[in-house]
Amino acid sequence: QQPVQSPQAVILREGEDAVINCSSSKALYSVHWYRQKHGEAPVFLMILLKGGEQKGHEKISASFNEKKQQSSLYLTASQLSYSGTYFCGTLGASSNTGKLIFGQGTTLQVKP
Amino acid sequence: NAGVTQTPKFQVLKTGQSMTLQCAQDMNHEYMSWYRQDPGMGLRLIHYSVGAGITDQGEVPNGYNVSRSTTEDFPLRLLSAAPSQTSVYFCASSGQGEHTFGSGTRLTVV
Repeated sequence: QQPVQSPQAVILREGEDAVINCSSSKALYSVHWYRQKHGEAPVFLMILLKGGEQKGHEKISASFNEKKQQSSLYLTASQLSYSGTYFCGTLGASSNTGKLIFGQGTTLQVKP
Repeated sequence: NAGVTQTPKFQVLKTGQSMTLQCAQDMNHEYMSWYRQDPGMGLRLIHYSVGAGITDQGEVPNGYNVSRSTTEDFPLRLLSAAPSQTSVYFCASSGQGEHTFGSGTRLTVV
Protein backbone atom coordinates (compact mmCIF):
# COMPACT_ATOMS: atom_id res chain seq x y z
CA GLN A 1 0.00 0.00 0.00
CA GLN A 2 1.30 3.42 -1.00
CA PRO A 3 2.56 5.65 1.83
CA VAL A 4 0.86 9.04 2.07
CA GLN A 5 2.89 12.22 1.77
CA SER A 6 1.91 15.68 2.97
CA PRO A 7 1.77 18.38 1.91
CA GLN A 8 1.29 17.79 -1.83
CA ALA A 9 3.06 21.03 -2.69
CA VAL A 10 5.13 23.69 -0.93
CA ILE A 11 6.33 27.11 -2.10
CA LEU A 12 9.17 28.71 -0.17
CA ARG A 13 11.47 31.69 -0.31
CA GLU A 14 15.21 31.07 -0.18
CA GLY A 15 16.32 30.61 3.40
CA GLU A 16 12.98 29.33 4.69
CA ASP A 17 12.46 25.90 6.22
CA ALA A 18 10.11 23.10 5.19
CA VAL A 19 8.94 19.76 6.51
CA ILE A 20 7.61 16.92 4.36
CA ASN A 21 5.79 14.06 6.04
CA CYS A 22 5.38 10.44 5.03
CA SER A 23 3.04 8.02 6.77
CA SER A 24 2.20 4.37 6.27
CA SER A 25 -0.64 2.15 7.41
CA LYS A 26 1.66 -0.85 7.87
CA ALA A 27 4.71 -1.69 9.96
CA LEU A 28 7.88 -0.39 8.37
CA TYR A 29 11.44 -1.66 8.27
CA SER A 30 12.93 1.36 6.54
CA VAL A 31 12.11 4.63 4.84
CA HIS A 32 13.96 6.04 1.81
CA TRP A 33 13.94 9.63 0.56
CA TYR A 34 14.57 10.68 -3.05
CA ARG A 35 14.50 13.97 -4.94
CA GLN A 36 13.56 14.30 -8.60
CA LYS A 37 14.24 17.35 -10.74
CA HIS A 38 11.92 18.00 -13.67
CA GLY A 39 12.68 15.67 -16.58
CA GLU A 40 15.31 13.73 -14.65
CA ALA A 41 15.51 10.48 -12.71
CA PRO A 42 14.96 10.33 -8.95
CA VAL A 43 18.16 10.70 -6.92
CA PHE A 44 18.77 9.06 -3.55
CA LEU A 45 18.97 11.31 -0.47
CA MET A 46 18.99 8.99 2.54
CA ILE A 47 17.72 5.81 4.18
CA LEU A 48 16.39 5.53 7.72
CA LEU A 49 16.11 2.20 9.47
CA LYS A 50 13.71 1.38 12.29
CA GLY A 51 14.92 2.59 15.67
CA GLY A 52 13.95 6.28 15.59
CA GLU A 53 17.10 7.15 13.69
CA GLN A 54 17.73 10.63 12.40
CA LYS A 55 20.08 11.35 9.53
CA GLY A 56 21.41 14.41 7.77
CA HIS A 57 22.57 15.30 4.30
CA GLU A 58 23.88 18.88 3.92
CA LYS A 59 21.01 20.96 5.34
CA ILE A 60 18.51 18.18 4.77
CA SER A 61 17.76 15.77 7.58
CA ALA A 62 15.10 13.19 8.34
CA SER A 63 13.59 11.26 11.22
CA PHE A 64 11.76 7.94 11.43
CA ASN A 65 9.23 7.05 14.12
CA GLU A 66 8.62 3.34 13.66
CA LYS A 67 5.85 3.22 16.28
CA LYS A 68 3.82 5.80 14.40
CA GLN A 69 4.98 4.44 11.04
CA GLN A 70 5.94 7.94 10.02
CA SER A 71 8.96 9.74 8.65
CA SER A 72 9.64 13.43 8.19
CA LEU A 73 12.12 15.20 5.91
CA TYR A 74 13.45 18.54 7.16
CA LEU A 75 14.84 21.10 4.74
CA THR A 76 16.65 23.90 6.55
CA ALA A 77 17.54 27.29 5.08
CA SER A 78 16.32 26.17 1.65
CA GLN A 79 18.29 26.93 -1.48
CA LEU A 80 17.10 27.28 -5.07
CA SER A 81 18.72 23.92 -5.80
CA TYR A 82 16.30 22.22 -3.40
CA SER A 83 13.42 22.70 -5.84
CA GLY A 84 11.98 19.45 -7.16
CA THR A 85 9.66 16.64 -6.21
CA TYR A 86 10.44 14.65 -3.07
CA PHE A 87 9.39 11.04 -2.72
CA CYS A 88 9.43 8.79 0.28
CA GLY A 89 9.74 5.06 -0.32
CA THR A 90 8.89 2.44 2.27
CA LEU A 91 9.86 -1.16 2.91
CA GLY A 92 7.66 -3.30 5.12
CA ALA A 93 8.98 -5.59 7.80
CA SER A 94 8.65 -8.64 5.56
CA SER A 95 9.64 -6.98 2.29
CA ASN A 96 12.93 -7.22 0.47
CA THR A 97 14.87 -4.30 -0.92
CA GLY A 98 13.43 -4.72 -4.40
CA LYS A 99 9.86 -4.02 -3.27
CA LEU A 100 10.26 -0.33 -2.46
CA ILE A 101 6.87 1.40 -2.55
CA PHE A 102 6.79 5.16 -3.12
CA GLY A 103 4.39 7.86 -2.03
CA GLN A 104 2.74 10.20 -4.50
CA GLY A 105 5.40 12.90 -4.05
CA THR A 106 5.64 16.45 -2.66
CA THR A 107 6.53 19.25 -5.06
CA LEU A 108 8.82 21.88 -3.54
CA GLN A 109 9.42 25.21 -5.24
CA VAL A 110 12.02 27.57 -3.81
CA LYS A 111 11.82 31.15 -5.05
CA PRO A 112 14.54 33.82 -4.83
CA ASN B 1 30.88 2.99 -14.85
CA ALA B 2 27.52 3.61 -16.53
CA GLY B 3 25.19 2.69 -13.62
CA VAL B 4 21.71 1.88 -14.95
CA THR B 5 21.14 2.19 -18.70
CA GLN B 6 17.66 2.28 -20.23
CA THR B 7 16.78 2.13 -23.90
CA PRO B 8 15.05 3.58 -25.78
CA LYS B 9 14.61 7.08 -24.30
CA PHE B 10 11.45 7.77 -26.29
CA GLN B 11 8.97 5.46 -28.04
CA VAL B 12 5.62 5.83 -29.75
CA LEU B 13 3.52 2.69 -30.17
CA LYS B 14 0.20 1.97 -31.76
CA THR B 15 -2.47 0.25 -29.69
CA GLY B 16 -1.95 -3.50 -29.80
CA GLN B 17 1.73 -3.40 -30.71
CA SER B 18 4.31 -5.11 -28.53
CA MET B 19 7.70 -3.91 -27.43
CA THR B 20 10.46 -4.46 -24.90
CA LEU B 21 12.01 -1.77 -22.76
CA GLN B 22 15.62 -2.59 -22.02
CA CYS B 23 17.41 -2.09 -18.69
CA ALA B 24 21.00 -2.98 -17.85
CA GLN B 25 23.14 -2.30 -14.78
CA ASP B 26 26.87 -2.74 -14.29
CA MET B 27 27.03 -2.51 -10.49
CA ASN B 28 26.44 -6.23 -9.80
CA HIS B 29 23.29 -5.35 -7.86
CA GLU B 30 20.98 -8.14 -6.72
CA TYR B 31 17.74 -6.20 -6.89
CA MET B 32 16.18 -4.62 -9.96
CA SER B 33 12.78 -2.96 -10.32
CA TRP B 34 10.53 -1.33 -12.89
CA TYR B 35 8.39 1.71 -12.04
CA ARG B 36 5.96 3.80 -14.01
CA GLN B 37 5.43 7.48 -13.29
CA ASP B 38 2.21 9.28 -14.08
CA PRO B 39 1.28 12.85 -13.03
CA GLY B 40 0.03 12.96 -9.44
CA MET B 41 0.55 9.22 -8.94
CA GLY B 42 4.19 9.13 -7.92
CA LEU B 43 6.30 6.12 -8.81
CA ARG B 44 4.37 2.87 -8.93
CA LEU B 45 6.14 -0.48 -8.81
CA ILE B 46 5.37 -2.76 -11.77
CA HIS B 47 7.64 -5.79 -11.25
CA TYR B 48 10.82 -6.45 -9.37
CA SER B 49 13.56 -9.08 -9.16
CA VAL B 50 15.66 -10.27 -6.24
CA GLY B 51 18.21 -12.04 -8.42
CA ALA B 52 18.71 -13.87 -11.70
CA GLY B 53 15.76 -16.17 -12.37
CA ILE B 54 13.56 -14.67 -9.65
CA THR B 55 10.86 -12.06 -10.32
CA ASP B 56 7.71 -10.94 -8.55
CA GLN B 57 4.78 -8.60 -9.07
CA GLY B 58 4.58 -5.09 -7.73
CA GLU B 59 1.59 -2.73 -7.37
CA VAL B 60 0.56 -2.49 -11.04
CA PRO B 61 1.76 -5.63 -12.91
CA ASN B 62 -1.13 -6.14 -15.34
CA GLY B 63 -0.17 -5.81 -19.01
CA TYR B 64 3.56 -6.23 -18.34
CA ASN B 65 5.94 -9.20 -18.30
CA VAL B 66 9.50 -9.44 -17.04
CA SER B 67 12.28 -11.97 -16.90
CA ARG B 68 15.78 -11.90 -15.45
CA SER B 69 18.15 -14.34 -17.10
CA THR B 70 21.31 -12.50 -15.98
CA THR B 71 22.25 -10.26 -13.05
CA GLU B 72 22.84 -7.34 -15.42
CA ASP B 73 19.63 -7.26 -17.50
CA PHE B 74 15.98 -6.83 -16.60
CA PRO B 75 13.78 -6.17 -19.67
CA LEU B 76 10.14 -5.11 -19.42
CA ARG B 77 7.75 -6.42 -22.09
CA LEU B 78 4.45 -4.92 -23.18
CA LEU B 79 2.64 -7.68 -25.07
CA SER B 80 -0.28 -5.62 -26.40
CA ALA B 81 0.12 -1.91 -25.74
CA ALA B 82 -2.86 0.13 -24.54
CA PRO B 83 -3.26 3.93 -24.25
CA SER B 84 -3.41 3.49 -20.45
CA GLN B 85 0.24 2.40 -20.60
CA THR B 86 1.33 5.84 -21.79
CA SER B 87 3.78 6.84 -19.09
CA VAL B 88 7.41 7.40 -18.14
CA TYR B 89 9.09 4.15 -17.16
CA PHE B 90 12.06 3.97 -14.80
CA CYS B 91 14.27 1.00 -14.11
CA ALA B 92 16.19 0.89 -10.82
CA SER B 93 18.79 -1.35 -9.25
CA SER B 94 19.89 -1.79 -5.65
CA GLY B 95 22.43 -3.66 -3.61
CA GLN B 96 21.16 -3.58 -0.03
CA GLY B 97 19.66 -0.12 0.19
CA GLU B 98 20.02 2.87 -2.11
CA HIS B 99 18.19 2.58 -5.43
CA THR B 100 19.97 3.87 -8.53
CA PHE B 101 17.57 4.86 -11.32
CA GLY B 102 18.02 4.86 -15.04
CA SER B 103 17.23 8.00 -17.05
CA GLY B 104 13.79 6.72 -18.05
CA THR B 105 11.80 5.81 -21.16
CA ARG B 106 8.96 8.06 -22.22
CA LEU B 107 6.34 5.84 -23.88
CA THR B 108 3.29 7.07 -25.76
CA VAL B 109 0.62 4.64 -26.95
CA VAL B 110 -1.73 6.05 -29.60
